[in-house]
Amino acid sequence: AQSVAQPEDQVNVAEGNPLTVKCTYSVSGNPYLFWYVQYPNRGLQFLLKYITGDNLVKGSYGFEAEFNKSQTSFHLKKPSALVSDSALYFCAVRDTPYSGGGADGLTFGKGTHLIIQP
Amino acid sequence: DAMVIQNPRYQVTQFGKPVTLSCSQTLNHNVMYWYQQKSSQAPKLLFHYYDKDFNNEADTPDNFQSRRPNTSFCFLDIRSPGLGDAAMYLCATSIRRGRETQYFGPGTRLLVL
Repeated sequence: AQSVAQPEDQVNVAEGNPLTVKCTYSVSGNPYLFWYVQYPNRGLQFLLKYITGDNLVKGSYGFEAEFNKSQTSFHLKKPSALVSDSALYFCAVRDTPYSGGGADGLTFGKGTHLIIQP
Repeated sequence: DAMVIQNPRYQVTQFGKPVTLSCSQTLNHNVMYWYQQKSSQAPKLLFHYYDKDFNNEADTPDNFQSRRPNTSFCFLDIRSPGLGDAAMYLCATSIRRGRETQYFGPGTRLLVL
């Protein structure tokens, strides 16, 4: 079974400072890893994903994430936070290979509220 | 712009009264998913369609059904909504299963009175 852990319910960062939102995962095969952002009463917006290749993945709005296989982590980072980055962030994983028996959807972490203070 | 559309954005129904939520997509994706997201929780997959092939999650209650009459549309039917079914329902699509990104609609917030 696949699972995701986001250990922090909330992360507070001052505007202009670097930010990190943590994510660790557990899969039986090779992971496909995703980060999504959700604003209040809205759907999820895709930020970035890791499939294979370079461990540092760059995504939308200046975000990036680093895949670390030995630590089973995929932390989301941004060098300089903006107030508009304040939102709920979800890490998600899909195990591979796909077995065909259902559970093709993403397994999400419980989410981390990111609050950027002016 | 190609997108995933969900109607209505807000739906109020009565306890036990059947309700249908709608999702459409202009992306021409093969896979369509329905997730349930309760307040302050992660989205949870209910089921998905790969073309016309329906795939139900093992723990999805029988009260939840889905239909996909064509590539563009997918419906979520709740036969007898209970108070515990109040949630945000998210539709997502992807080109294929596996490594492809899932693109989400804005969601429908369901309130059960």
